[in-house]
Parts: sequence; C-alpha cells; structure tokens
Amino acid sequence: RKEVEQDPGPFNVPEGATVAFNCTYSNSASQSFFWYRQDCRKEPKLLMSVYSSGNEDGRFTAQLNRASQYISLLIRDSKLSDSATYLCVVNPQGSARQLTFGSGTQLTVLP
Amino acid sequence: ETGVTQSPTHLIKTRGQQVTLRCSSQSGHNTVSWYQQALGQGPQFIFQYYREEENGRGNFPPRFSGLQFPNYSSELNVNALELDDSALYLCASSLGRGGYNEQFFGPGTRLTVL
Repeated sequence: RKEVEQDPGPFNVPEGATVAFNCTYSNSASQSFFWYRQDCRKEPKLLMSVYSSGNEDGRFTAQLNRASQYISLLIRDSKLSDSATYLCVVNPQGSARQLTFGSGTQLTVLP
Repeated sequence: ETGVTQSPTHLIKTRGQQVTLRCSSQSGHNTVSWYQQALGQGPQFIFQYYREEENGRGNFPPRFSGLQFPNYSSELNVNALELDDSALYLCASSLGRGGYNEQFFGPGTRLTVL
C-alpha cells in the first residue's frame, strides 16, 4: 500500500465548477499535511497547509480527518488558471522535514 | 520565484556514468532536501541535509550520495547511472528541521540516462 494515495484523475471540469480531491495516508503518526500545486514541467509549490480544524483560503478549502486518515481539497468557482496537478503531501515524521507525496491528481479547467 | 536555484537545467548521460547536481538554497535557509520525480509520479524523498549533516534518507541505494556546504548549498551525486534514474531531480530548502515551515522547491534538473 502506498503511503499517500490520491484520486487517480484526470479531472476535466468546466470553468466555474466545484471540484474535490481526496487523499488517504497510511501512517497514523503523521504530523503535518499539505496540498502542493505543480504546473506542467515546473516545480511543486505550496498551495496550503491542512489543519484538523479545516482551513480555507479564498476559493480553496482543505479538510483533515485524522481518525479516517483522510485529506481533502475543495476548489470552488474553478478558473482556467487552476489547471495543474495537485499533490497531497504528508510529513510522516514531525522531527524531520522530509515530505511524502502522492502521485498527484491532474486538473484541467475547460473554457 | 523561490530563490532556490539548481544546475544544470538538463543533462544527458549514459548508463554507468556518474553525475553531480547542484542546488543553492534560499537565503537564510539551512536545510536542503532532495527529491526524485519520475514521469507521472509525485516526488520521492532521497535525503535531507541540515547544517552539513545528513538528516534522514529515503529508500534509495548508496550510489545516491550528497553533500552540504558551509553556505548551505548542496550537491547530489549519483554513481553507476541506470536507465531508471531518468527523472526530474528537485531540491527544496527550508529553515530548520521539523516544524511546519514551508519547503521551497527549485526548478529541478531533468536527467536523461541513455
């Protein structure tokens, strides 16, 4: 079983749609959680951290369920510029900064 | 941009050769992590350096080795290259071990092994 598993995608949605990505992780001791965004042939960039209480940043909402070891990302009112690969990322060891990435979910927002 | 730079941008090597990739961390950051990203996959952790010492290693063979210098820049060395080593190699810098601070990625070095 992979340490971080994501929806395989790809997701093709019309502009203005709401889209949700899901992710599960296997290490119950994982300390911190993130969503990164990676544009084609570019480096990953932090989209947002994910907290147990849930957090929102504009059109983006992230949720964490520690009991189910489940992370989600909701994008409302999709824009063409949201087209990218979204990577679910877990830090399995709180004392080290290594990150464990999922394989990513590709999103294409269509005009 | 992040302020993390990597060189070279692209590299073509043949099987069995050795390669050195370089990374300059963001100003003020003392930790560098290296990742390998194969096509269609997420980045995989290779190892991390904190203040010139290795601070964690992923599931990569010993032919993957690294260094961090006093200015916190870093090198990744790969010996006896194999075809499966073809990938995008990313370095990421951060401030300190642990914590919840962001890792900033460089643009990567795309290595092709023929």
